[in-house]
Amino acid sequence: GAVVSQHPSWVICKSGTSVKIECRSLDFQATTMFWYRQFPKQSLMLMATSNEGSKATYEQGVEKDKFLINHASLTLSTLTVTSAHPEDSSFYICSAGPPNLANEQFFGPGTRLTVL
Amino acid sequence: DQQVKQNSPSLSVQEGRISILNCDYTNSMFDYFLWYKKYPAEGPTFLISISSIKDKNEDGRFTVFLNKSAKHLSLHIVPSQPGDSAVYFCAARTIGANSKLTFGKGITLSVRP
Repeated sequence: GAVVSQHPSWVICKSGTSVKIECRSLDFQATTMFWYRQFPKQSLMLMATSNEGSKATYEQGVEKDKFLINHASLTLSTLTVTSAHPEDSSFYICSAGPPNLANEQFFGPGTRLTVL
Repeated sequence: DQQVKQNSPSLSVQEGRISILNCDYTNSMFDYFLWYKKYPAEGPTFLISISSIKDKNEDGRFTVFLNKSAKHLSLHIVPSQPGDSAVYFCAARTIGANSKLTFGKGITLSVRP
């Protein structure tokens, strides 16, 4: 299957700071990537769809000014949590699908964000 | 409104027996269904999928059954192994490449040695 990586795998930051999370497709190009967050013992909730070269599409209830998404190349999408607060602490996961497997999504290993 | 439902939060089976994980959906526009396996603090791993034009797909120990009229699918694992212990998510998507996935809440499977 295709490989998707994320960096960092975990991050601890102070309230009010901004944190950037990277999502890379290692062996394929992805015009679309997806960002999810997961609270403990909950499902994966789609936050936004990241589109290469254009603006991201955010799901209802997700603040686009707080969760900035940049899909600058066909292998990289970044999620920046701006002015993070403790309630933003969560597990953030990205996914992407290679063109030849358009029906499937491959997930990164996730990033654990803890805001103090 | 939860469009993909996994009503049983957990399942425990004996090693060697069959594990049956169920999933129901409400959106008739879903045309492709996937099962993912997830360990704590890791991203989901793709297991098996099925298109709405099929009613069964098999891959080794894993078989997915789809009943469109009942809007129900199930994942069968046989024989179950202790390494199968994880959280299993059912997901569905609508027609179109790169359309978004809708996930269920997941089922925690425990396989007892």
